[in-house]
Amino acid sequence: QKEVEQDPGPLSVPEGAIVSLNCTYSNSAFQYFMWYRQYSRKGPELLMYTYSSGNKEDGRFTAQVDKSSKYISLFIRDSQPSDSATYLCAMRATGFQKLVFGTGTRLLVSP
Amino acid sequence: DTEVTQTPKHLVMGMTNKKSLKCEQHMGHRAMYWYKQKAKKPPELMFVYSYEKLSINESVPSRFSPECPNSSLLNLHLHALQPEDSALYLCASSSSLKTPEAYLNTEAFFGQGTRLTVV
Repeated sequence: QKEVEQDPGPLSVPEGAIVSLNCTYSNSAFQYFMWYRQYSRKGPELLMYTYSSGNKEDGRFTAQVDKSSKYISLFIRDSQPSDSATYLCAMRATGFQKLVFGTGTRLLVSP
Repeated sequence: DTEVTQTPKHLVMGMTNKKSLKCEQHMGHRAMYWYKQKAKKPPELMFVYSYEKLSINESVPSRFSPECPNSSLLNLHLHALQPEDSALYLCASSSSLKTPEAYLNTEAFFGQGTRLTVV
């Protein structure tokens, strides 16, 4: 079993839809959670960063962490064609410098 | 400014060549990373530097040689690479775990990568 599981997709939605992206993990020591957006042939762009449990909102993006279920989510409201990209979750345990990535979910938003 | 700058953007090299990838950040981060990413795969960690000292080497072949000459710069020296080493090479930076005030702010920022082709 991988430490971090993420559905590779692709996930296809119409413009304006609410998108839900998820990751599950097995290591209870993970405390720092990140979501990255990566366009084809570009570097990952940090979207959201959360420490421990709870919700965080930034514009159209909301990140949720449920440590009891070992489950994190990224919600995108009013999705746009420009949101079409691969979304990577990443997490880190306290005391460890290494980030562990999910496999990434490819999102396609059609006009 | 959350920018990590990588040069060159593209590199084609022969198997007998020696080349270097460069990375620069001015966010005051004291941890810097090299990752390798193949198509449709997540980034794979290669090396981590913390306060200019190598702290993690993920069993990377010696044909890849990292160097951190100062707190803003990170290099990756390449020699005698194989075609299977062709990939997107990503640099990232973050606060180091050794920095007490960075306890909560340890998110990592990535550069745009160098697309390497070995022929």
